[in-house]
Amino acid sequence: GAGVSQSPSNKVTEKGKDVELRCDPISGHTALYWYRQSLGQGLEFLIYFQGNSAPDKSGLPSDRFSAERTGGSVSTLTIQRTQQEDSAVYLCASTPGQANTEAFFGQGTRLTVV
Amino acid sequence: KQEVTQIPAALSVPEGENLVLNCSFTDSAIYNLQWFRQDPGKGLTSLLLIQSSQREQTSGRLNASLDKSSGRSTLYIAASQPGDSATYLCAVRLTTSGTYKYIFGTGTRLKVLA
Repeated sequence: GAGVSQSPSNKVTEKGKDVELRCDPISGHTALYWYRQSLGQGLEFLIYFQGNSAPDKSGLPSDRFSAERTGGSVSTLTIQRTQQEDSAVYLCASTPGQANTEAFFGQGTRLTVV
Repeated sequence: KQEVTQIPAALSVPEGENLVLNCSFTDSAIYNLQWFRQDPGKGLTSLLLIQSSQREQTSGRLNASLDKSSGRSTLYIAASQPGDSATYLCAVRLTTSGTYKYIFGTGTRLKVLA
């Protein structure tokens, strides 16, 4: 596609429910990142994919968070048993994979846990 | 641990002024530094990418410089316009083995007054 696409753009869920957030990177980009931006806070790294593997998942805040990537393309971030503190904007980025390349971000998914 | 700081946190200027945004980082072992803008409720838009071997990059009214040895980058905006109002974020890409993640500053919120 022309850019990084994320869906849904907005998600309201009840506390305790599971949610899935989707990221469709730019075609051909092998590296994919998930970040979280809480209200008034900076961007917090969650996980990095190179192809289908995740060499760095050090930012996942708890075992309720997981992510996968299939076919070296689409990635899904799953949050189980959501809590109110999970409310944030979840941003996805992709790059061609080489270290010296530019990162492109999607528009984000705004998650609200009520 | 890499820390990225942006000063000032907020800035308000009249239209037409030239301005400088600052970004500092604690560890010079980076692949590159990227400047982004973020409009309210939106994702990140890439502005400029500077490789670790470069000193500066220019795009239109924007000029970004990098002094890796001192851990500093500046974003210069010439002849500011109300449309430049946004939050500006800098991010460094780490060379830490096994990950190419970005560490973000907390941003400078810019308002250009008409």
